[in-house]
Amino acid sequence: GAVVSQHPSRVICKSGTSVKIECRSLDFQATTMFWYRQFPKKSLMLMATSNEGSKATYEQGVEKDKFLINHASLTLSTLTVTSAHPEDSSFYICSARERGYGSEAFFGQGTRLTVV
Amino acid sequence: GNSVTQMEGPVTLSEEAFLTINCTYTATGYPSLFWYVQYPGEGLQLLLKATKADDKGSNKGFEATYRKETTSFHLEKGSVQVSDSAVYFCALLFYNQGGKLIFGQGTELSVKP
Repeated sequence: GAVVSQHPSRVICKSGTSVKIECRSLDFQATTMFWYRQFPKKSLMLMATSNEGSKATYEQGVEKDKFLINHASLTLSTLTVTSAHPEDSSFYICSARERGYGSEAFFGQGTRLTVV
Repeated sequence: GNSVTQMEGPVTLSEEAFLTINCTYTATGYPSLFWYVQYPGEGLQLLLKATKADDKGSNKGFEATYRKETTSFHLEKGSVQVSDSAVYFCALLFYNQGGKLIFGQGTELSVKP
């Protein structure tokens, strides 16, 4: 299957700083990318959907000013956690799909963010 | 709204045991249904899918049948292996509604030798 690369796989940052997570589709054009947050022993919570060249659509309850999403090209989307706090510590996963009805979503390997 | 409910975990089985993980959904319309698997510290991998009623998805010995009448998509495997230990997620998707995957809460499977 197609490959979605997420970087970094782990990051530790100090409270109050910002962290950027990258999600790249390596061998296909990702017209749509999704960002999820996963808590321990919990399901994946969809944070936002981004279409290339458009503003991201955030799910209810997700602070768009805190979780900045940019999808500037067909192969790259970034999630920036601004002014991170310990409660933002989590596992973040991106997913990417090509254009087209029925296209499969491919997932990155996830980023473990720890805010200290 | 649309939602997915899975059986609570963790599920602990001995190697070669039969596996069933229940999944039911609530949706307006007829979504596509999926099972994803997540190994420790990794992202999700598609295990199998079904796009319409009575379809059976299968892969690596796992099977699930799309049952419209019971709104279910239970995952089964006849003989599990230690390497099947992972978290399994049931999900639904409407391609004509932005293609967002809606996940169940996940079921952790632990297979002992």
